[in-house]
Amino acid sequence: NAGVTQTPKFRILKIGQSMTLQCTQDMNHNYMYWYRQDPGMGLKLIYYSVGAGITDKGEVPNGYNVSRSTTEDFPLRLELAAPSQTSVYFCASRQITSGGAAQYFGPGTRLLVL
Amino acid sequence: AQKITQTQPGMFVQEKEAVTLDCTYDTSDPSYGLFWYKQPSSGEMIFLIYQGSYDQQNATEGRYSLNFQKARKSANLVISASQLGDSAMYFCAMREGRAGGYNKLIFGAGTRLAVHP
Repeated sequence: NAGVTQTPKFRILKIGQSMTLQCTQDMNHNYMYWYRQDPGMGLKLIYYSVGAGITDKGEVPNGYNVSRSTTEDFPLRLELAAPSQTSVYFCASRQITSGGAAQYFGPGTRLLVL
Repeated sequence: AQKITQTQPGMFVQEKEAVTLDCTYDTSDPSYGLFWYKQPSSGEMIFLIYQGSYDQQNATEGRYSLNFQKARKSANLVISASQLGDSAMYFCAMREGRAGGYNKLIFGAGTRLAVHP
């Protein structure tokens, strides 16, 4: 299994441009998440999904959109990039089980908005 | 509101010694979970260990153990016999609500550990 994969690894955007960060998992996990990590900080939840067709906002959803048409894919859309969106973006997934099922993270996408 | 506090921005330890990374949390929910993740310089987030609020015993995973003191609301990570490869950023995170839910994680600001030879 490849686990959670993210593309691209790095991107530079100009202010006002749009882009989609791709996230795919091959573990058949129901739950998927998008986080951002600003320099020197912990991760903050942007959006999450509990299954195909179901998404909801996290702590910092402004400026982002998501969709979940399949179990495997959970893309994150930035419509009008702003310098405040410069960050590292992590996608994660988790299986529905009881107990301490951990979230498994992708390698991250580093985004710079200039 | 749930909150995670990691008071040590940076820690140093000699190779082969043990080190404790502090984590305190705040929640009014009786059901919660505590996680530790490692982030090496390459940037990926690696799951290390989990402790549930109703677990009677402290969690252990190889060289990692979690010193869970519920009354003090602390969940410190203990790394025994430190290795050079343990040098990384370490994040404590808390799940709000019961296991099996959507599992939003709240992260602390992290502690950077440096292991010296």
